[in-house]
Amino acid sequence: GDSVTQMEGPVTLSEEAFLTINCTYTATGYPSLFWYVQYPGEGLQLLLKATKADDKGSNKGFEATYRKETTSFHLEKGSVQVSDSAVYFCALANSGYALNFGKGTSLLVTP
Amino acid sequence: NAGVTQTPKFQVLKTGQSMTLQCAQDMNHNSMYWYRQDPGMGLRLIYYSASEGTTDKGEVPNGYNVSRLNKREFSLRLESAAPSQTSVYFCASSDYGGLPNNQPQHFGDGTRLSIL
Repeated sequence: GDSVTQMEGPVTLSEEAFLTINCTYTATGYPSLFWYVQYPGEGLQLLLKATKADDKGSNKGFEATYRKETTSFHLEKGSVQVSDSAVYFCALANSGYALNFGKGTSLLVTP
Repeated sequence: NAGVTQTPKFQVLKTGQSMTLQCAQDMNHNSMYWYRQDPGMGLRLIYYSASEGTTDKGEVPNGYNVSRLNKREFSLRLESAAPSQTSVYFCASSDYGGLPNNQPQHFGDGTRLSIL
């Protein structure tokens, strides 16, 4: 079945550091891929998405490129801020109605 | 600007008690979902409703029932609560755009449920 694998956290970075959170997936066909972010005490919010190979999703300085050849959708940001501290979830949508989530990666950015 | 509203936000139950978690959305979305979030497990789908009048099981439906009361409301019921159901429960909604359903899901802030 479909699955999403994210790098284990927590990830701790200093402000203005470069961020990469790895995400790989297993799926048949052509899934759509998403990154969601969860701030403390809140629900998940869509950060960005890509619906076909080589698409790049971007939002709030975050980017991720849908790489079918490596089945990956890694999240990157050039310069993180303290306000980016949150849990990040990679997810895919394939043949069904619901999303298939990774386990989440916690990010802590220190001043 | 409510989006998806869940009630209650916190609840403590004793084993064997029953309760209903409420969810309402004001975005006129067709599809609604219930997930549970457990440490180290990500989000797992309990039940979903692709459209008003339909409900289907997700990955972890045992011990739960749902009702799609109308287009806005989707409730989750625990008939006889067990400690293994201690979790954070999220309701979400989305437009329906065909399959695969790549429409963004909008989440409520969650219900934190503890079962003693």
